[in-house]
Amino acid sequence: GENVEQHPSTLSVQEGDSAVIKCTYSDSASNYFPWYKQELGKRPQLIIDIRSNVGEKKDQRIAVTLNKTAKHFSLHITETQPEDSAVYFCAASPMNTGFQKLVFGTGTRLLVSP
Amino acid sequence: KAGVTQTPRYLIKTRGQQVTLSCSPISGHRSVSWYQQTPGQGLQFLFEYFSETQRNKGNFPGRFSGRQFSNSRSEMNVSTLELGDSALYLCASSYRDRDSYEQYFGPGTRLTVT
Repeated sequence: GENVEQHPSTLSVQEGDSAVIKCTYSDSASNYFPWYKQELGKRPQLIIDIRSNVGEKKDQRIAVTLNKTAKHFSLHITETQPEDSAVYFCAASPMNTGFQKLVFGTGTRLLVSP
Repeated sequence: KAGVTQTPRYLIKTRGQQVTLSCSPISGHRSVSWYQQTPGQGLQFLFEYFSETQRNKGNFPGRFSGRQFSNSRSEMNVSTLELGDSALYLCASSYRDRDSYEQYFGPGTRLTVT
């Protein structure tokens, strides 16, 4: 089955710096890669996703890149702000009409200091 | 549109009891997936329901079961509760077609087993 590894487990940056979180996956059948942000005591919130037919996707200060050959994908946050502090989860899933199953990484705790 | 809702939000049960959790998806969404979140194991997939049928199942014992109704609402049942079942149980809904992969999470039900 699919296995997703996520690094680093914690990341501390200064406000305005960039943050990068990396994930690797094992199942070459995976073709959908979402990223979720979870603030303390709240639900995971989908912040960006990418499909295997795209190499990069950007939405304002966040971007995701995908390298299918190496089976890894990364989240990039630029100009970080204190409100970006949260736990970020990557996930991978094969997406077809048969089934849908997200396998999550172990999470990265991002702390942005003012 | 209203988001995904889950009831109850908090639950305290005793070992050996059973529990039923409920999830109402976003209007129009046809798929409901359930996940268990614990500090030690992270976010783990339990099962997915689509059109009242279980489409996929994670690596959990048979004590964990679920169902989906014709209005797409879903319930999850855990029988013979164990201390290790204490967790945040999240459901996520998705429209689930060829162009829509995104899963949106509910606030979760915090289950404590004593």
